Amino acid sequence: QKEVEQNSGPLSVPEGAIASLNCTYSDRGSQSFFWYRQYSGKSPELIMSIYSNGDKEDGRFTAQLNKASQYVSLLIRDSQPSDSATYLCAVIHMEYGNKLVFGAGTILRVKS
Amino acid sequence: DTEVTQTPKHLVMGMTNKKSLKCEQHMGHRAMYWYKQKAKKPPELMFVYSYEKLSINESVPSRFSPECPNSSLLNLHLHALQPEDSALYLCASSPAGETQYFGPGTRLLVL
Repeated sequence: QKEVEQNSGPLSVPEGAIASLNCTYSDRGSQSFFWYRQYSGKSPELIMSIYSNGDKEDGRFTAQLNKASQYVSLLIRDSQPSDSATYLCAVIHMEYGNKLVFGAGTILRVKS
Repeated sequence: DTEVTQTPKHLVMGMTNKKSLKCEQHMGHRAMYWYKQKAKKPPELMFVYSYEKLSINESVPSRFSPECPNSSLLNLHLHALQPEDSALYLCASSPAGETQYFGPGTRLLVL
């Protein structure tokens, strides 16, 4: 089992729809979770961090964490073509010396 | 301000060259990182500096040599690289080893 797993996609959604990106992780001791957005040829940009079970909202983005199920998700409301990018889920992995471990990323395509 | 800067933006080098990548942050962050990212792959950790001391070396070949001259600056010295080392090299910094902020990266091509 990979430490952090994401569906590679591509996930295609129409403009204005809700995009739902999912991520599972293997380390039950993990406490810190992040979503990064990466446009083609650019560096990862932090868009959300979440540490407690439940939802955390920031503008059109909502991160959801369920530690019991070892599951973290990102919802993007009112998706725009500019949201088209690769979304990387990252987890501070305590078993590996508190390293930030990335999933493979999910490609999101928002069609206008 | 969460800005990490990296120079150069692009670098082309031969296998016998010596070059250096530079990373700078003025946010007072105590941890700095080097990552390597190949196309369509996630970033891969290379080195971690914590309070200016090397704390993690992910078994990176010795042709990559990191240096942290002070708390704001991180260098990656390159020597005798191979074509397979061509990648995007990312620097990141973190206030206390948690949330990491990435610089724009240096795109390296080894001929």
